[in-house]
Amino acid sequence: DMKVTQMPRYLIKRMGENVLLECGQDMSHETMYWYRQDPGLGLQLIYISYDVDSNSEGDIPKGYRVSRKKREHFSLILDSAKTNQTSVYFCASSPGTGRNSDYTFGSGTRLLVI
Amino acid sequence: AQSVDQPDAHVTLSEGASLELRCSYSYSAAPYLFWYVQYPGQSLQFLLKYITGDTVVKGTKGFEAEFRKSNSSFNLKKSPAHWSDSAKYFCALVRGGSNYKLTFGKGTLLTVTP
Repeated sequence: DMKVTQMPRYLIKRMGENVLLECGQDMSHETMYWYRQDPGLGLQLIYISYDVDSNSEGDIPKGYRVSRKKREHFSLILDSAKTNQTSVYFCASSPGTGRNSDYTFGSGTRLLVI
Repeated sequence: AQSVDQPDAHVTLSEGASLELRCSYSYSAAPYLFWYVQYPGQSLQFLLKYITGDTVVKGTKGFEAEFRKSNSSFNLKKSPAHWSDSAKYFCALVRGGSNYKLTFGKGTLLTVTP
């Protein structure tokens, strides 16, 4: 079954701590994405990765960085987490950057920064 | 700038009624448009997409959407609605250029009462 897997599902961190969110996909998709979802705001794109070590900022990259060393893995890193980074984070993948690509989303990671 | 607007934050209707969720977009070129559904506590699931061709596209779960270039809309429809359709629905647009990123609307929470 083709899927995008996110770990962990739930995470509580203190302000100032580092946070690592992991995402994996088993479809050999070239392109992967990190979004965050906040109430009333829909999904906002944080970063996009076109392939290994080929990453690009999305609409709200400030406070985040990413790492993609293998095509199947895409990590989101929060250095010194802030309370306003409390959110639900979704990873997604697509087979390419063509506009007819279908996107597969992971189940999300709920992050609470206290 | 490209954008997607879902003007109704919340729609409530009775089971058996016809549902129509509104979506309008702003984009200078030909858009690729998507609808996703998110059930409570779950990730986003693909419903349907419009690329080119027929302006009425059919998707999963009995949904269809009509693309109207004249008023820049891509409304989602289903008849009759079932209580299991209760969920949050997101309209999304893929932008052109070198980075094909999904831009989401804020979503419409649909409640179908038995």
